[in-house]
Amino acid sequence: QVQLVESGGGLVKPGGSLRLSCAASGFTFSDYYMSWIRQAPGKGLEWLSYISSSASPIYYADSVRGRFTVSRDNAESSLVLQMNSLRAEDTAVYYCARVWRSWVFDYWGQGTLVTVSS
Amino acid sequence: QSALTQPPSVSGSPGQSVTISCTGTSSDVGSYNRVSWYQQPPGTAPKLMIYEVSIRPSGVPDRFSGSKSGNTASLTISGLQAEDEADYYCSSYTSSNTLVFGGGTKLTVL
Repeated sequence: QVQLVESGGGLVKPGGSLRLSCAASGFTFSDYYMSWIRQAPGKGLEWLSYISSSASPIYYADSVRGRFTVSRDNAESSLVLQMNSLRAEDTAVYYCARVWRSWVFDYWGQGTLVTVSS
Repeated sequence: QSALTQPPSVSGSPGQSVTISCTGTSSDVGSYNRVSWYQQPPGTAPKLMIYEVSIRPSGVPDRFSGSKSGNTASLTISGLQAEDEADYYCSSYTSSNTLVFGGGTKLTVL
């Protein structure tokens, strides 16, 4: 069965960096586009990035463009979100999701919590 | 890109029907049939309920239906059940090659 497992969340100071990973299994990872989506505590969903199966093209939300970088390793079936210059407003649960039929998220991970605080 | 507009909350009694609206612009909902709906019970990850405006993935009950008119998409849940209580989010592809979610709607089954 399809599984997406995020890791790497934790507490980081403002201005710091964090690297999130998403381990995929149960499907041919290299056949699918992937996305990162986050949810601040008590708030709604926010789409962050979208990476094609070949890692080009890549799209970002305005809120993270230039600070966050998404990448993938098809050989390892893994997705990565490198987050730099973190701000308090980046505090959220971060989900990775499989993209299906163009911009549809059919499977989601359980999420990993990132807290940005001094 | 501003979030799509959803009502903060809706409610209904078991067996009734409720409709959740999702209003965007001509740059997203109004121009593309790439509108999806997600259900998120408390403390869990979202689950896909509707895609491409009105298509139900396998396993989603036919009590859930979607539609669109102009810049507004809608999710209708008929024959409400207690298990339907959750937050619901719409999403749409945009002309900027991005995706935007709605602010979310909390469904309470009375």
